[in-house]
Amino acid sequence: GDSVTQMEGPVTLSEEAFLTINCTYTATGYPSLFWYVQYPGEGLQLLLKATKADDKGSNKGFEATYRKETTSFHLEKGSVQVSDSAVYFCALSSNYGGSQGNLIFGKGTKLSVKP
Amino acid sequence: DARVTQTPRDKVTEMGQEVTMRCQPILGHNTVFWYRQTMMQGLELLAYFRNRAPLDDSGMPKDRFSAEMPDATLATLKIQPSEPRDSAVYFCASGLGLASHTDTQYFGPGTRLTVL
Repeated sequence: GDSVTQMEGPVTLSEEAFLTINCTYTATGYPSLFWYVQYPGEGLQLLLKATKADDKGSNKGFEATYRKETTSFHLEKGSVQVSDSAVYFCALSSNYGGSQGNLIFGKGTKLSVKP
Repeated sequence: DARVTQTPRDKVTEMGQEVTMRCQPILGHNTVFWYRQTMMQGLELLAYFRNRAPLDDSGMPKDRFSAEMPDATLATLKIQPSEPRDSAVYFCASGLGLASHTDTQYFGPGTRLTVL
């Protein structure tokens, strides 16, 4: 079945460091790909998404490119801030079969940014 | 600023008791999802509604869990009887449902359930 694998955390960085969180997926068909962020004590919020191959999603300085050839959707940010400390989830939504619209999540990567 | 609301935010109960969690989706959204989050399993889909009709509840233990949408403004998730292994954070999410697999889902703040 469809699945998402993202790098294990926690990730600890200093402010202004470069961030990469790796995400790869397995899916039938052509899924849409998402990054959601969860701040402490809150629900998940959409950070960015890409709905077809080679699309780049971007928001708040974060970027991710949908790479079909490597089945990847790595999250990057050039300069992290303390306020970026949160748990980041990679997810896919299949366009195939009865599970259309369901989000399948990775395990999450906790990011801590130190001043 | 439209948001998904969930009640209660926290619930502590004893094993065997009935638990009901409520969700108000964003007005105009026609898809509703229930997820469970635990440290061990991460985020798991429990149930999925479109236009108030259940489309997928394969992730839900049928013997004790039930999910309904009595009307377009209310979704409920019920556990009867509750067990300690049900302790988790339960999230509700809603979406416009215009194009299933590209839709953004909007999450509520969650209900933290502790079953003693």
